[in-house]
Amino acid sequence: TQLLEQSPQFLSIQEGENLTVYCNSSSVFSSLQWYRQEPGEGPVLLVTVVTGGEVKKLKRLTFQFGDARKDSSLHITAAQPGDTGLYLCAGDGGTSYGKLTFGQGTILTVHP
Amino acid sequence: NAGVTQTPKFQVLKTGQSMTLQCAQDMNHEYMSWYRQDPGMGLRLIHYSVGAGITDQGEVPNGYNVSRSTTEDFPLRLLSAAPSQTSVYFCASSYHGTAREQYFGPGTRLTVT
Repeated sequence: TQLLEQSPQFLSIQEGENLTVYCNSSSVFSSLQWYRQEPGEGPVLLVTVVTGGEVKKLKRLTFQFGDARKDSSLHITAAQPGDTGLYLCAGDGGTSYGKLTFGQGTILTVHP
Repeated sequence: NAGVTQTPKFQVLKTGQSMTLQCAQDMNHEYMSWYRQDPGMGLRLIHYSVGAGITDQGEVPNGYNVSRSTTEDFPLRLLSAAPSQTSVYFCASSYHGTAREQYFGPGTRLTVT
């Protein structure tokens, strides 16, 4: 069974601060996805990283896939209250073909 | 496109009752899946399907049945509800034909008393 360890579980920061969320595994994944979920709704896909060492930017969000395709990070610059939500990493492929393995999630709260 | 739709939005069951959670997608996606979400445990895969007529078990399949008679629909059946099945259930689909980059429905909040 492939596992994804996501940290931190909770993050409470002030508007304007920077933050990083980590997603680590001992297994290799074909791709790593990051989702954002708001209360009462389903997760929404933010980005997919496929190549080891890949970096993708989405406005103030920067996503990186580890060289060995076992880990990923999400960095938010100058966080805003609208960034508040649950962030989930998920990996597919490897020995879990056909399945998506999710991390436990990071609850981010950005205070004005 | 409506995307992925789920019904009902909320449901309360008594222990031992059975019910079916409905899921439909209008994007012609081959891959569909069911997850449950519990506090502090992320999303756990219950069952998935890579196409009509093909289903397979996920991480937590016990107590749940699925079938996939059409590309569009993927219902989840609870055979005999138990309090441990109290959770939020999400259906998802992917155009890749694999688990990658899934579109999620709005969820069904189920309470079993």
